[in-house]
Amino acid sequence: DSGVTQTPKHLITATGQRVTLRCSPRSGDLSVYWYQQSLDQGLQFLIQYYNGEERAKGNILERFSAQQFPDLHSELNLSSLELGDSALYFCASSVAGHGNQPQHFGDGTRLSIL
Amino acid sequence: KNQVEQSPQSLIILEGKNCTLQCNYTVSPFSNLRWYKQDTGRGPVSLTIMTFSENTKSNGRYTATLDADTKQSSLHITASQLSDSASYICVVSRNNNAGNMLTFGGGTRLMVKP
Repeated sequence: DSGVTQTPKHLITATGQRVTLRCSPRSGDLSVYWYQQSLDQGLQFLIQYYNGEERAKGNILERFSAQQFPDLHSELNLSSLELGDSALYFCASSVAGHGNQPQHFGDGTRLSIL
Repeated sequence: KNQVEQSPQSLIILEGKNCTLQCNYTVSPFSNLRWYKQDTGRGPVSLTIMTFSENTKSNGRYTATLDADTKQSSLHITASQLSDSASYICVVSRNNNAGNMLTFGGGTRLMVKP
């Protein structure tokens, strides 16, 4: 158990809809990362927050947004969903936003767009 | 261009045998190299993290090596077990742990057969 909790585990919705994915980082971790993993694809970095502030941005679509709250949990909001957004979305956390610490991953939210 | 290439893409071995997975990178500047194990449908789990000055690191039956001069790393698995069946992902970090500084390899899918 990595200590990172993601909810929901599965989400099925239709094109054009909006969903919110939630992540609770490991106790004591200040940094949260969001990744997208499409079928048979590698992990794609979306966005990182550190102690409530956006730290780094990857290939995140404008239809996607995220935030980290004062209690350090994070939410990833996906809107105007398209079929191509179907993927596994992972959250990871680390103690700090820099350095050589490992990232601890949750088990992901599987998003299916019908 | 910052890239991480892993080989082979997939590998099948018999239980009890050893195997070696390869990772070549062109990422610069280099901060650290990580190996992750990802079971199907689960989040990646950190196996090793190596900085520039480290050329080998072990975690149980997993031993990672790093040659920073040739920009190559390998992950050696000894006495394989059925539970080693997973994807193994090589990740190279530039400068720090910021999310957009991480370059992910496409992974090697290992299957261990009885």
